[in-house]
Amino acid sequence: GAGVSQSPSNKVTEKGKDVELRCDPISGHTALYWYRQSLGQGLEFLIYFQGNSAPDKSGLPSDRFSAERTGGSVSTLTIQRTQQEDSAVYLCASSLAGSGVYEQYFGPGTRLTVT
Amino acid sequence: RKEVEQDPGPFNVPEGATVAFNCTYSNSASQSFFWYRQDCRKEPKLLMSVYSSGNEDGRFTAQLNRASQYISLLIRDSKLSDSATYLCVSSNNAGNMLTFGGGTRLMVKP
Repeated sequence: GAGVSQSPSNKVTEKGKDVELRCDPISGHTALYWYRQSLGQGLEFLIYFQGNSAPDKSGLPSDRFSAERTGGSVSTLTIQRTQQEDSAVYLCASSLAGSGVYEQYFGPGTRLTVT
Repeated sequence: RKEVEQDPGPFNVPEGATVAFNCTYSNSASQSFFWYRQDCRKEPKLLMSVYSSGNEDGRFTAQLNRASQYISLLIRDSKLSDSATYLCVSSNNAGNMLTFGGGTRLMVKP
């Protein structure tokens, strides 16, 4: 079946602009996660959605970052007034349920470059 | 101190060698542990879960030592295709969030 998809695959934007990154999870997966991976670094948790519950936003680095998940499926991560330090690969993952015992399947990521 | 720590490497080994990676975690309440593999410029993929009793999957063996709070991954008979970054991962006590280590890079040479 189809895996997690993300778009765009690459995004170059000027400092100060807003960007939207999209994630389509695997059908039937109730949990959705956003991570950020800077060059040569590990994955940094950003936000987690589980079903209709309020999202866990504890990983968002600043109030310029926000995310939505509409209809329990597609999610959009928005970064307002982008800064150069926002440059990273943004990875989305989904799993069957919000439990670590379920494998998280990752999408290919969006490589964001802020110039 | 990072919650999950790994030696970044790289570990350079010849084909056929046995190589072991260790990882330490600081949150004693962590419930589950995993090894993920990440190829260059690709997304992470689950390699194996780590159970308290230790578990083996072909050439790969994972061990968990809760008393010392470390996890290990042993790869036997290394293949060129094993070259990748190996990510040590813990989940929180609710089991709904993963914390990734920085990864250990393995390079298997002919």
